[in-house]
Amino acid sequence: DTAVSQTPKYLVTQMGNDKSIKCEQNLGHDTMYWYKQDSKKFLKIMFSYNNKELIINETVPNRFSPKSPDKAHLNLHINSLELGDSAVYFCASAPSGRWDTEAFFGQGTRLTVV
Amino acid sequence: SQQGEEDPQALSIQEGENATMNCSYKTSINNLQWYRQNSGRGLVHLILIRSNEREKHSGRLRVTLDTSKKSSSLLITASRAADTASYFCATLLIQGAQKLVFGQGTRLTINP
Repeated sequence: DTAVSQTPKYLVTQMGNDKSIKCEQNLGHDTMYWYKQDSKKFLKIMFSYNNKELIINETVPNRFSPKSPDKAHLNLHINSLELGDSAVYFCASAPSGRWDTEAFFGQGTRLTVV
Repeated sequence: SQQGEEDPQALSIQEGENATMNCSYKTSINNLQWYRQNSGRGLVHLILIRSNEREKHSGRLRVTLDTSKKSSSLLITASRAADTASYFCATLLIQGAQKLVFGQGTRLTINP
């Protein structure tokens, strides 16, 4: 059983389109994250959710809208895609308020905007 | 803002040698974690050290934490070709919001 799963794994789309990436975790965690990894492998936190509530928005453009229908899912919708959005997007989950446990990551979604 | 910086950015050594990677961070933390990322894959957790711990071991991994210097190091002993990957440190801060922030990563290459 995959703990954190993302779909799709690859996404190629044209500039200006709207696309969504889905994330699901079966670990019972309260906290979920979205990260963006650029071509230089730099991992930047985008959003953090706790129990379906947005906790952190790291100055991400409004074109990015996360949605958490329940605490096991955190989807990422991107409007009006731009070339600079090309990156690998990772979803992760972790138990909240725990100092002694790690985060679990999905396998990533490689988004290519052409 | 980026919390951690890692040094070196790239490291190439011979199989069997030890590899040391360093991480520095800026704010107070609850714990520091190290992750590995193989090419084209997701991140895998390696080891976690709490802010009140100074050293931790797990198999061939040894992590140190110096909160006064806001720095950590990851030592991989007796390296193997399979250790070739990117290694990231990440700091966890729980202060209202729970935030896991990554360093820039070290690309480690083990030459057979």
